[in-house]
Amino acid sequence: DGGITQSPKYLFRKEGQNVTLSCEQNLNHDAMYWYRQDPGQGLRLIYYSQIVNDFQKGDIAEGYSVSREKKESFPLTVTSAQKNPTAFYLCASREEGGMNTEAFFGQGTRLTVV
Amino acid sequence: GQQLNQSPQSMFIQEGEDVSMNCTSSSIFNTWLWYKQDPGEGPVLLIALYKAGELTSNGRLTAQFGITRKDSFLNISASIPSDVGIYFCAGIRSNDYKLSFGAGTTVTVRA
Repeated sequence: DGGITQSPKYLFRKEGQNVTLSCEQNLNHDAMYWYRQDPGQGLRLIYYSQIVNDFQKGDIAEGYSVSREKKESFPLTVTSAQKNPTAFYLCASREEGGMNTEAFFGQGTRLTVV
Repeated sequence: GQQLNQSPQSMFIQEGEDVSMNCTSSSIFNTWLWYKQDPGEGPVLLIALYKAGELTSNGRLTAQFGITRKDSFLNISASIPSDVGIYFCAGIRSNDYKLSFGAGTTVTVRA
């Protein structure tokens, strides 16, 4: 089946540790996005990538890092510098090359700092 | 920061009522998207709009792309209990392909 897959669905991290969230898509989409959602809040853009080996900071990039070595993969690392990492993280992908394309989301990863 | 202003923030409606929500921005967007999110899940695309003035329906849902390209509206007709959830608007600008979201409208239906 074609789609976008995030793993794991639930993740627990100790304070001071880095953790990496996985996002894989087999839709052959060029653009990929990472969002953070806090309870009762909207989606805030962390990082986005329009093409392999290129990515841009979103609105809340501090304390996060990404890589885009392959078209189908866009992992997000939550570093120890992120002071309040507990949140719901959503990954999305979209076909590039024009404005008339929709974005599709994964099922999300809920990260909890313990 | 947040570029899209979505309203209302929340609403309680009676089953069978019609619902309206909107998004506005100071920026021009080339694409407007409307999503619904259930608790603990990723947002699911409802309607996509690509042309100013475009009116598109998907079952009981109707959305419009504003003429100024700075706003969009979503209407839900004859609401049912499964319409409960959070509805988000999203816009894509032509100059940076950044996908920006509104803060969401939480819909609760009274049976």
